[in-house]
Amino acid sequence: QKEVEQDPGPLSVPEGAIVSLNCTYSNSAFQYFMWYRQYSRKGPELLMYTYSSGNKEDGRFTAQVDKSSKYISLFIRDSQPSDSATYLCAIGAADFNKFYFGSGTKLNVKP
Amino acid sequence: DAGVIQSPRHEVTEMGQEVTLRCKPISGHDYLFWYRQTMMRGLELLIYFNNNVPIDDSGMPEDRFSAKMPNASFSTLKIQPSEPRDSAVYFCASSSGLAGGKQYFGPGTRLTVT
Repeated sequence: QKEVEQDPGPLSVPEGAIVSLNCTYSNSAFQYFMWYRQYSRKGPELLMYTYSSGNKEDGRFTAQVDKSSKYISLFIRDSQPSDSATYLCAIGAADFNKFYFGSGTKLNVKP
Repeated sequence: DAGVIQSPRHEVTEMGQEVTLRCKPISGHDYLFWYRQTMMRGLELLIYFNNNVPIDDSGMPEDRFSAKMPNASFSTLKIQPSEPRDSAVYFCASSSGLAGGKQYFGPGTRLTVT
């Protein structure tokens, strides 16, 4: 079983839609949860960072962690064509010696 | 800060040749990571260093792959001999701290082995 699972998509939505991206993970010891955005032919860039559970909001982006369900989400409000990218979740724990990345979900926001 | 710097950005080589990829991490970061990304396998961690010392190289696919970090500002990933299945985008990332550290990625090196 993989440490983190992510639906690869692709996900296609119209401009202005609310987007929900999700990952599930296997080990309850994970404490650090991140979302990276990767544009085509670019390196991943850190978008959201959350420690432990709860929500974190940054502009149109909201990261949500549900540790009881081992489920993390990224919501994008009022999606824009410029949000079209691949979104990767990443998880880690203080006792582990590495981070684990999801396979990425490709998002296309149509004008 | 200039961010993580990688060179070359593109590399095309013939099977059997030696390939060396280079990375300069963000100044002050104590962790450096090498990743490989392909459509089939996604983003894979190859090896990471802490304070220039290799900590976990379990992701290095074969003995043909080697990585070094002679000082805090420079690392190399070498493939010798290269094979077509090594074709991928190789990313270097650095962070301050590990599990709680936010990783900053370089632009990547697109390697094509013919």
